[in-house]
Amino acid sequence: QVQLVQSGAEVKKPGSSVKVSCKASGGAFSRSAISWVRQAPGQGLEWMGGIIPIFGTTNYAQKFQGRVSVTADDSTSTAYMELSSLRSEDTAVYYCAQSLGGNPLYYFDSWGQGTLVAVSS
Amino acid sequence: EKVMTQSPATLSVSPGERATLSCRASQSVAGNLAWYQQKPGQAPRLLIYGASTRATGIPARFSGSRSGTEFTLTIGSLQSEDFAVYYCQQYNNWPPTFGGGTKVEIK
Repeated sequence: QVQLVQSGAEVKKPGSSVKVSCKASGGAFSRSAISWVRQAPGQGLEWMGGIIPIFGTTNYAQKFQGRVSVTADDSTSTAYMELSSLRSEDTAVYYCAQSLGGNPLYYFDSWGQGTLVAVSS
Repeated sequence: EKVMTQSPATLSVSPGERATLSCRASQSVAGNLAWYQQKPGQAPRLLIYGASTRATGIPARFSGSRSGTEFTLTIGSLQSEDFAVYYCQQYNNWPPTFGGGTKVEIK
């Protein structure tokens, strides 16, 4: 059974950056794809970007292009999402999600527990 | 970007009754449609993929169907643990997109 464990909650100032981690256990990390999906308070789900760790290839939603970076460390089965130039509208719970189909353009079999990022001055 | 529209926004159902949730795609997404369940304070959980295939461990009371660009999630007989928010997601075209969700509440 795949398990995704994310780093803890963060409080950030506007204009700063945040980096959230997602450690996978249970196998198949490098051959899967990891995506990042966020959920603002009381709102729906929004896909931000994803990576195929074995190739290092990334895809990003146009809305976040230039502001988000998704990376992965195959040796530790850990994926990272860094979001820069934070503003109050970025306050949300950020989830990592794994696609065993090996493509971020797929459904999401497993999800991390979520990481709350609060942006406030 | 494919827009996914879910209806209704809220569905009030009594335990034991059937619930029918809809999701419409702005353009064809073929059968590349998934459904998720999300309970308060929890991450989403995959229920259905390929429009009609139940994910591992999902009870048979959950079923999905497709008619063109219209997708339906049916919960055959609502149990107490089924009251939650349900999201559809297309994975046919970049970027993957979600519907706005349907909240299933106790009537």
